[in-house]
Amino acid sequence: RKEVEQDPGPFNVPEGATVAFNCTYSNSASQSFFWYRQDCRKEPKLLMSVYSSGNEDGRFTAQLNRASQYISLLIRDSKLSDSATYLCVVNRRAYSGAGSYQLTFGKGTKLSVIP
Amino acid sequence: NAGVTQTPKFQVLKTGQSMTLQCAQDMNHNSMYWYRQDPGMGLRLIYYSASEGTTDKGEVPNGYNVSRLNKREFSLRLESAAPSQTSVYFCASSESGFAYEQYFGPGTRLTVT
Repeated sequence: RKEVEQDPGPFNVPEGATVAFNCTYSNSASQSFFWYRQDCRKEPKLLMSVYSSGNEDGRFTAQLNRASQYISLLIRDSKLSDSATYLCVVNRRAYSGAGSYQLTFGKGTKLSVIP
Repeated sequence: NAGVTQTPKFQVLKTGQSMTLQCAQDMNHNSMYWYRQDPGMGLRLIYYSASEGTTDKGEVPNGYNVSRLNKREFSLRLESAAPSQTSVYFCASSESGFAYEQYFGPGTRLTVT
């Protein structure tokens, strides 16, 4: 299994639709999980952290299943402005530096919201 | 409050030339990072600096060197550029370590011919 795996999409959905993104990770020792958003030719920006109990921020809901090593992001009532690539991000032990961790980024899932 | 700034925004190099990418942050963060992003590959960590005075290799360090000049600045140097280093380079910073949100600069688009 790849370290962080996402469906590359693209997901083309109409405005107002609900869309779900899934992500799996291979390192069971991972401790921190995030969803980042990246607009075309722009830098990634944090959308939300993902907590074990699940968390919600407005139209966005993130879930974590540690047993299955699976993370999800649900977007309700999609807006045109939600069009972007969504990156699943997981931390793992660093190549060097005992006890330190690095972030591993998935390749991203592209979302296009259509009028 | 500019966040993370990077210079230059665009650069074209010939094979074998050298250059330094500059990065600065004004958020008083301890940790700073350099990533490259290639189509179909996602973001990959080149080097990071957990705190001022320390640097460590990431996933793809070969062909690069870094300097943490002070708490604000973290530079990335390509000593002898190769076409395989054509990429978009992002600098990022965070409070301390990888558990915290990373803030990214706008990126440098580098082409090596």
